[in-house]
Amino acid sequence: EVQLVQSGAEVKKPGESLKISCKGSAYRFTSYWIGWVRQMPGKGLEWMGIIYPGDSDTRYSPSFQGQVTISVDKSINTAYLQWSSLKASDSAMYYCARRGDSSSLRYFDYWGQGTLVTVSS
Amino acid sequence: EIVLTQSPGTLSLSPGERATLSCRASQSVSSSYLAWYQQKPGQAPRLLIYGASSRATGIPDRFSGSGSGTDFTLTISRLEPEDFAVYYCQQYGSSLIFTFGPGTKVDIK
Repeated sequence: EVQLVQSGAEVKKPGESLKISCKGSAYRFTSYWIGWVRQMPGKGLEWMGIIYPGDSDTRYSPSFQGQVTISVDKSINTAYLQWSSLKASDSAMYYCARRGDSSSLRYFDYWGQGTLVTVSS
Repeated sequence: EIVLTQSPGTLSLSPGERATLSCRASQSVSSSYLAWYQQKPGQAPRLLIYGASSRATGIPDRFSGSGSGTDFTLTISRLEPEDFAVYYCQQYGSSLIFTFGPGTKVDIK
């Protein structure tokens, strides 16, 4: 069964750095794009960016470009989302999701369970 | 950048009723690139519909998607208790940019 398992909840202070992870299993990790989605408390879904583990090709939403870094370690089937200096406004649930394998369709078919990030002084 | 608008914001219905949710794009969207998701409180989103009208694996046939161009619809033919949730549409544009709509909450009347 395809699974995306995310790292656990984090509590950080403003200005700290953070890297959260998303580990894929039961499929060829290098062949499927992995996206990241933010959900602020009580709000909707915001697409942040996407990475292709096969060659680390990465695209960002204009809203998140320069604010976060998406990376991958294909040797351990894991994608990452990181911040160099957190702000209180980064407090949210973050989901990773696998893009479906069709070359002519675009959707996210499997989702991680989410990582809650809380940034507070 | 394509903007998605969903209406209504909240839909209050009773079990057994039909739900019709709208997703409108600011520019024409390829049907291949339009998807719908369901999210329940405390859970990750779940893919319902892709390619505007194809049901994802395991999705009951009471869920159907339709539309083209700038107007898309998700229909739930007869609401079951487990269908009360928030529904999001999603589109894909150029340069691998995805966008989600703001969501429609379907709650119990």
